[in-house]
Amino acid sequence: EVQLVESGGGLVQPGGSLRLSCAASGFTYSSYWMTWVRQAPGKGLEWVANIKKDGSEKYYVDSVKGRFTISRDNAKNSLYLQTNSLRAEDTAVYYCARVHRLARWYFDYWGQGTLVTVSS
Amino acid sequence: SSELTQDPAVSVALGQTVRITCQGDSLTSFYASWYQQKPGQAPVLVIYDKNNRPSGIPDRFSGSSSGNTASLTITGAQAEDEADYYCNSRDSSGNHVVFGGGTKLTVL
Repeated sequence: EVQLVESGGGLVQPGGSLRLSCAASGFTYSSYWMTWVRQAPGKGLEWVANIKKDGSEKYYVDSVKGRFTISRDNAKNSLYLQTNSLRAEDTAVYYCARVHRLARWYFDYWGQGTLVTVSS
Repeated sequence: SSELTQDPAVSVALGQTVRITCQGDSLTSFYASWYQQKPGQAPVLVIYDKNNRPSGIPDRFSGSSSGNTASLTITGAQAEDEADYYCNSRDSSGNHVVFGGGTKLTVL
């Protein structure tokens, strides 16, 4: 059974940092692109970043470029999102998801999410 | 970047058919995928590629595409289908992903 479990969310002050983690199990992790998607309270889904199977390619939505870094450790079956210079508008539930092999925008399994709250 | 536009809300009578649409320039070149999200839960993929359903998704869910519009059709809507539905696709730049704003489906 495919499982994705996020952790690392919490309350942080504007300008602060958090490292989000996603533990994957139930599939050959190193064979899949992975992604982060976020959802602000009461709002829609927003794609944040993608990372290639071997970590050699990474893509970001413009609003987080230069502040967030996606990474992975295939030996630990883990995905990460380092979030720096956080702003109030980064407040959201952050989901990790597996990318389907057919296309980079088909997200076939999702975690339950971790909440990041940016507030003073 | 490109955008995907969805109607904010749609309603359907129990057992009837409803179509949820998603419009965007990128859809003339790429298929959309569709996600169902119920309150307090993570999204679930319901349709991807031309008209593929992941395992466990009822066959009353189907997808189609014409021009710059992708559609999710629920044939014989059930009470449990009441949820928010999101489309997504590839951005015109090729490396980014965009989501539609979501459609809240109410089953009457």
